[in-house]
Parts: sequence; structure tokens; C-alpha cells
Amino acid sequence: DIVMTQSPDSLAVSLGERATINCKSSQSVLYSSNNKNYLAWYQQKPGQPPKLLIYWASTRESGVPDRFSGSGSGTDFTLTISSLQAEDVAVYYCQQYYSTPPGYTFGQGTKLEIK
Amino acid sequence: EVQLVESGGGLVQPGGSLRLSCAASGFTVSSNYMSWVRQAPGKGLEWVSVIYSGGSTYYADSVKGRFTISRDNSKNTLYLQMNSLRAEDTAVYYCARVVPAFDIWGQGTMVTVSS
Repeated sequence: DIVMTQSPDSLAVSLGERATINCKSSQSVLYSSNNKNYLAWYQQKPGQPPKLLIYWASTRESGVPDRFSGSGSGTDFTLTISSLQAEDVAVYYCQQYYSTPPGYTFGQGTKLEIK
Repeated sequence: EVQLVESGGGLVQPGGSLRLSCAASGFTVSSNYMSWVRQAPGKGLEWVSVIYSGGSTYYADSVKGRFTISRDNSKNTLYLQMNSLRAEDTAVYYCARVVPAFDIWGQGTMVTVSS
């Protein structure tokens, strides 16, 4: 099974500053035949279901503000919020969808707060 | 509007059974991969099961042999039959559309396994 490990577990950032969350997979999630990384990022606010932010490691979902960006390849990935807004306070999860048979494992989550 | 609405959660004794439903609108369940994800109180996201458009089904090791995912095409509804429930199955259960990231999520239904 592919294990997803996020760092840090929690993060406090000042409004308007950059927030960076890392995600490492125990094996590569880059599919060589199409050169796509099978990695997604989700945002979950209290009492709400997760919301898809980023897929294919760097493609922003429709309607997601452009201050959110994803990067990385293979086993190491990053979610960056370029200028933190109050409404970005949430828990963020990475997820791999590479496994066959499917495993769809999530990282443990990173709690983002305002400093 | 594209949406998913779960139902069927509740309180059940250890060893009991429960069937969750996930009614879809705005898209066809049978034409998509559909999944169940759960979240124990205060914990992270755990993938539970997926059903492919062709009908293949897959499960997390933690529920294999106890849970069954299915769908009713005439009702455009996804199901999760949960048998031999354990205390550790207590969680909010979400259904989600898989594209292959999880782009549409329901609001969730709470399952509590306790005597």
C-alpha cells in the first residue's frame, strides 16, 4: 500500500503570508505512460465535507482561487497558498489515486490556522 | 445541480448491520466511479470502497468481507451495506464521485456503533 505522509501536522501563518504544506508518498505516483502525477489536494472546513482543490498534482479545480497552487512530482508534493486569507483556515489533505487495485490513500492532514 | 445526498446512518450495536444510501442528482451514478470515504470523530479521512462504472468493486482491508458497495441504476443511488459492525467503524460516511480525484462529495451521514 502507498503511504502518504504530510508535514507539518499543523501550521500557523499570518494573514497575507505564504503557507506551504508538504506531502510525501512511499512510492512514486507518477504514471510514466501519460506523465501524470496521481495526486490530489483537498480542503476541509469544520462540519463540512472535503472540497477538491487540486488534481493531477497541479491542476486547479474550477472555482478554486488562484492563490492555491500545487507542485511536485514522483514522491514529493507541495500545496502553496500564496497569500493566506481568513477563509483558508481548514485541514488540508493530500491523496494518491495511483494504486492498482485502488487504494486512494489520504495523508493524515495538516491543520492550518491564523497566527 | 450536481449533488450527492447520503442517508441511513444511525446508532447500531456491535455486530449489527446498517445500509447507507447516496442519492445522486445532476449526473448518472452508473456512468461514473463512485466511492465511500469515512472520517472517525476528530480523525482524518479513510477511503472505504469504490465501484467502477463497469461494476468492479474494491475495499479497504479494514472493511473487506464485512462491507458491500452497490448501486441501483434505476434510482441513481449508491449503497454501502455494512455488516458485523465494530466500534472502530464509528464515523461520518461520505460518498463521492471519482474522476479519478474525488470531485463531488455528499454532506455525510453519521454511523455510531455502540452498545
